[in-house]
Amino acid sequence: DAKTTQPNSMESNEEEPVHLPCNHSTISGTDYIHWYRQLPSQGPEYVIHGLTSNVNNRMASLAIAEDRKSSTLILHRATLRDAAVYYCIHYLGNQGGKLIFGQGTELSVKP
Amino acid sequence: EAGVAQSPRYKIIEKRQSVAFWCNPISGHATLYWYQQILGQGPKLLIQFQNNGVVDDSQLPKDRFSAERLKGVDSTLKIQPAKLEDSAVYLCASSFPLGVAFFGQGTRLTVV
Repeated sequence: DAKTTQPNSMESNEEEPVHLPCNHSTISGTDYIHWYRQLPSQGPEYVIHGLTSNVNNRMASLAIAEDRKSSTLILHRATLRDAAVYYCIHYLGNQGGKLIFGQGTELSVKP
Repeated sequence: EAGVAQSPRYKIIEKRQSVAFWCNPISGHATLYWYQQILGQGPKLLIQFQNNGVVDDSQLPKDRFSAERLKGVDSTLKIQPAKLEDSAVYLCASSFPLGVAFFGQGTRLTVV
């Protein structure tokens, strides 16, 4: 079962770093971890993904534990526009690329 | 690059009526997903297509929901008859095989 566990909500101050944790203890060796975020009244948008090593892009960084049972999405400087629900997704590549969403973490950013 | 297009954006129907949603994926994307998102919950996968074939429809309530993907491009999702608990946002997404998924804005359905 492709289940991920995230805190329901987190708070951050503007311009400070944010670390969003995720547990995915059932992940298998070929499954990727994807992160998406959903702003109010919009569809989810892709943030970042990784398999084993840490990944960086213009939006965020992804740190994956050595045993791959957990990962952390890092927003280096939170802005008010980063307030959204963040979903950590166990991407089932051997099932045709199935994306199974959990409950996500609702991030609020205070000015 | 044009994104995933969905229509209508909003729909209000009475219970027991039927409704259809339309999705036009990004050009060249072979994989197409339909999700149902109930208020306050994460999106739930209803059906996944690869071209015009079904990859997974295990969560689709087949007694009332149906979906098709004509010629491996556009897709329609139908509910007949609708129930109150079908009130939700219906999201369509597309991707290259095993690629990043791009989502549309969704269709907000209210069943009264």
